[in-house]
Amino acid sequence: GENVEQHPSTLSVQEGDSAVIKCTYSDSASNYFPWYKQELGKGPQLIIDIRSNVGEKKDQRIAVTLNKTAKHFSLHITETQPEDSAVYFCAASEVTGGGNKLTFGTGTQLKVEL
Amino acid sequence: DTGVSQNPRHKITKRGQNVTFRCDPISEHNRLYWYRQTLGQGPEFLTYFQNEAQLEKSRLLSDRFSAERPKGSFSTLEIQRTEQGDSAMYLCASSFPTGATNEKLFFGSGTQLSVL
Repeated sequence: GENVEQHPSTLSVQEGDSAVIKCTYSDSASNYFPWYKQELGKGPQLIIDIRSNVGEKKDQRIAVTLNKTAKHFSLHITETQPEDSAVYFCAASEVTGGGNKLTFGTGTQLKVEL
Repeated sequence: DTGVSQNPRHKITKRGQNVTFRCDPISEHNRLYWYRQTLGQGPEFLTYFQNEAQLEKSRLLSDRFSAERPKGSFSTLEIQRTEQGDSAMYLCASSFPTGATNEKLFFGSGTQLSVL
């Protein structure tokens, strides 16, 4: 089955700096790569996703890049703000119409310091 | 659209007791998923429904676990004879696929289970 590794486990940045979180996956059949933000006591919130036919996607301060050959993908947050502090999870799955069974990484605790 | 709703938010039970959780998906979402999340880990897939049909179950779902979605709307997850290892956050997600490769999962806030 799929295995997703995520680094770093914790990341501390100054407000206004950029943050980068990296993930690798093992199953070359995976074609869908979402990123979720989880705040304390809440469920994961989808913030951005990318499919394998695209190399990069951007939404305001958030961008995701995908390298299918190397089987890794990254989340980039620019101009970080205190409200970006949370746990971020990457995930991967093979979506073919028969259910989207995500395999998650172990999470990155992002802390944005004033 | 009020999002995915889960009840209760917290459940404390004694080992050996049965517990039941409820999930109300986003209206008109025909797929519903159950995941489990332990402290410091990402969510792990347990099972999913398309309408009322349970289409797949993970090996994580022991025979003490049963899930239903009787009318294709809300779902329940029951754990019988709870064990301390069942302590976790149980998350529900729903989706409405718009194509063979386009399916986004939206999660609820989860039910935190503590087995004493």
